[in-house]
Amino acid sequence: ILNVEQSPQSLHVQEGDSTNFTCSFPSSNFYALHWYRWETAKSPEALFVMTLNGDEKKKGRISATLNTKEGYSYLYIKGSQPEDSATYLCALNQGGKLIFGQGTELSVKP
Amino acid sequence: ETGVTQTPRHLVMGMTNKKSLKCEQHLGHNAMYWYKQSAKKPLELMFVYNFKEQTENNSVPSRFSPECPNSSHLFLHLHTLQPEDSALYLCASSQRSGGPTDTQYFGPGTRLTVL
Repeated sequence: ILNVEQSPQSLHVQEGDSTNFTCSFPSSNFYALHWYRWETAKSPEALFVMTLNGDEKKKGRISATLNTKEGYSYLYIKGSQPEDSATYLCALNQGGKLIFGQGTELSVKP
Repeated sequence: ETGVTQTPRHLVMGMTNKKSLKCEQHLGHNAMYWYKQSAKKPLELMFVYNFKEQTENNSVPSRFSPECPNSSHLFLHLHTLQPEDSALYLCASSQRSGGPTDTQYFGPGTRLTVL
């Protein structure tokens, strides 16, 4: 059974803080890793698709890195804002199927 | 707005009822998916359709019956469900299935409660 682990499960930060969380996955037979942002009562929204070891992608204040050799990806948020409050999901693509982690629930207080 | 809509957004049904969940995508995609999220668990793939053909059934009980009449519409027919089937059911679509970098676009989900 393939396990995709995310940590921490939840995170509470103050507005302006920078934060990061981790997605861990088996490093063998790696194809791609997807990051999603999921606000309550809305649709999960795709953030990044990462494929190459050492990849670094950025979208505004959010960035992600990938290490396929050791099996982890970090998501960073610089200067968190209340509107960043959401659950952040990573998903490993295995044979065309997405295997999701449980998510990191981020709460940013003003 | 991701271009994937789901109806209804909330559904309460008894164990003897028959109901259907509907998903529609306006993105011109060829692959559609059903996922289930139970409380405190990761999103779990249920079914995959590619060009209207079912290509994946992730050991889902037969009380869940999917239907894909065309590439834009996907249904999940529900009958004789159990209370443990209460969950959030999400639909997604992508350009094709099987591509490692193909982004899946999700609907907002149907919150199902089985009494």
